[in-house]
Amino acid sequence: AQSVTQLDSQVPVFEEAPVELRCNYSSSVSVYLFWYVQYPNQGLQLLLKYLSGSTLVKGINGFEAEFNKSQTSFHLRKPSVHISDTAEYFCAVTYSGAGSYQLTFGKGTKLSVIP
Amino acid sequence: GAVVSQHPSRVICKSGTSVKIECRSLDFQATTMFWYRQFPKQSLMLMATSNEGSKATYEQGVEKDKFLINHASLTLSTLTVTSAHPEDSSFYICSARESGLMNTEAFFGQGTRLTVV
Repeated sequence: AQSVTQLDSQVPVFEEAPVELRCNYSSSVSVYLFWYVQYPNQGLQLLLKYLSGSTLVKGINGFEAEFNKSQTSFHLRKPSVHISDTAEYFCAVTYSGAGSYQLTFGKGTKLSVIP
Repeated sequence: GAVVSQHPSRVICKSGTSVKIECRSLDFQATTMFWYRQFPKQSLMLMATSNEGSKATYEQGVEKDKFLINHASLTLSTLTVTSAHPEDSSFYICSARESGLMNTEAFFGQGTRLTVV
């Protein structure tokens, strides 16, 4: 079974500063990795995903993440945050051999951008 | 990207009544749909996986007689909360995956805030 650990439940950061949201996963098999963003009272929007290939993945809104197999990590980064980035961010994993691609989510990290 | 529409976005019902939530894939066919429950300030908990034309697969601890899931077509799945109680109040989110082996991304609805009074 796979699991996802998001080490920080809350991350405050000043506007235009860089940010890193950490995600570690555990799985004994190959996985696909995802980062989603959730705004209050809304569903989830995909930021980016890693399926295979280049370990550095670029997503929407200037976010990127790096897959590190040896450290079983998939940390999300943005070089300069905006007020509009304030939201909840979820890391998720699915087993690449699973037909249904059922997602396992981390507990989320609340990013608060301070003006 | 593909659009998943979830309706209603908010619903308030009396204890003991039933509530139906709809999840529609608007521009693609969804072989598989997922239903999640999210408690305040917590992550999404998978309740069940539904495949079109077959019975849903429920996660451990989820009462299948209380949370009825129907996936009658490739574009519609419904979740009915039967005999709702205040402890069923929560944010329910559906997601849908497009048919096809290479379609790994699941698209999410906007969620339904259920309040049972």
